[in-house]
Amino acid sequence: GPKVLQIPSHQIIDMGQMVTLNCDPVSNHLYFYWYKQILGQQMEFLVNFYNGKVMEKSKLFKDQFSVERPDGSYFTLKIQPTALEDSAVYFCASSSSANTGQLYFGEGSKLTVL
Amino acid sequence: AQSVTQPDARVTVSEGASLQLRCKYSYSGTPYLFWYVQYPRQGLQLLLKYYSGDPVVQGVNGFEAEFSKSNSSFHLRKASVHWSDSAVYFCVLTSNSAGNKLTFGIGTRVLVRP
Repeated sequence: GPKVLQIPSHQIIDMGQMVTLNCDPVSNHLYFYWYKQILGQQMEFLVNFYNGKVMEKSKLFKDQFSVERPDGSYFTLKIQPTALEDSAVYFCASSSSANTGQLYFGEGSKLTVL
Repeated sequence: AQSVTQPDARVTVSEGASLQLRCKYSYSGTPYLFWYVQYPRQGLQLLLKYYSGDPVVQGVNGFEAEFSKSNSSFHLRKASVHWSDSAVYFCVLTSNSAGNKLTFGIGTRVLVRP
């Protein structure tokens, strides 16, 4: 079936550094999402993105976070600077429609901030 | 506010046995309910969905779930599990106006013993 690819699968960085998580969504999907899962906790919505713009973001989407998808390339989540509490698995997802709840997820990018 | 509770963090069953995973939700509006599954080293995949109508919905690989408005539940069942059903199962809630902002349960890890 359709796949969402995430790069890297795991990254370890020092607090204060910048990190970019990359997502290759399902081709022809128009809606993109990032979700965050801290170890032992529920997966939580971070942001959704459509037509080049952030449509909605949660309180977890701090000012240090940004997303973009320049010209159909990777959909990226950038954190600058990183903090210890940013350690989590970040899941990218994409969808062909806005309100069906049917998303295609990647395997996740595990971020460890030291 | 909305929430999803999966009371069982881990379930171990023998191959061929039946399986039931419990899910309770809290939401004042009309819920859209899903079960997603994450197999090892894969992204989350949609197993089945409920929007309205018949409270028993069928999914892939012999799974079904039953919606109960009175109990605020959406339990998942399978009559006879296979070792390949070992995975993490997530109960998920959204609504028709949520813009694919999903509320996840914490997940139930299922181990099927041969």
